[in-house]
Amino acid sequence: QKEVEQDPGPLSVPEGAIVSLNCTYSNSAFQYFMWYRQYSRKGPELLMYTYSSGNKEDGRFTAQVDKSSKYISLFIRDSQPSDSATYLCAMTGGYQKVTFGTGTKLQVIP
Amino acid sequence: GAVVSQHPSRVICKSGTSVKIECRSLDFQATTMFWYRQFPKKSLMLMATSNEGSKATYEQGVEKDKFLINHASLTLSTLTVTSAHPEDSSFYICSTLAGVNEQFFGPGTRLTVL
Repeated sequence: QKEVEQDPGPLSVPEGAIVSLNCTYSNSAFQYFMWYRQYSRKGPELLMYTYSSGNKEDGRFTAQVDKSSKYISLFIRDSQPSDSATYLCAMTGGYQKVTFGTGTKLQVIP
Repeated sequence: GAVVSQHPSRVICKSGTSVKIECRSLDFQATTMFWYRQFPKKSLMLMATSNEGSKATYEQGVEKDKFLINHASLTLSTLTVTSAHPEDSSFYICSTLAGVNEQFFGPGTRLTVL
């Protein structure tokens, strides 16, 4: 079993839709959770960073962590074509080494 | 967040040659940098952790003699792919560690070995 599971997609949604991206994990030591956005042929860009369980909101983005279920989510409200990218979840127990999901490719159709 | 640059962004080389990739932290003194490799439709694979002034720590299965890492200053880490072969063709990305666990990535270098 992989430490982090993420549906690769692709996920296609119409502009303005609410997008839900998810990851599950198996390592209960993970405490810090990140979401990265990666455009084609570019490096990943940090979107959200959360510690332990709970929600964090930043503009149109909301990150949710449920440690009891080992499940994290990223919600994108009012999705835009510019949100089309691959979204990677990432997590760590706090000892520098970060484990990444495989990424979900999102396409927002105008 | 921290700004990280990589050079070159793209390189094509002949089999058997060596290629050096630079990773620079432009606005942050990076004690620790990471080097990743990414295959199409695959996750980022950590190759090594680079610490300024000391030897890099390589992940299991990564040949340290093939992927030479030097972190001589707080703003520069280099990855040299020695005697490159077509199977080394990949997207190489570096990152710096800022704060507790936040990593900021460079734009990546696409290496193609003919």
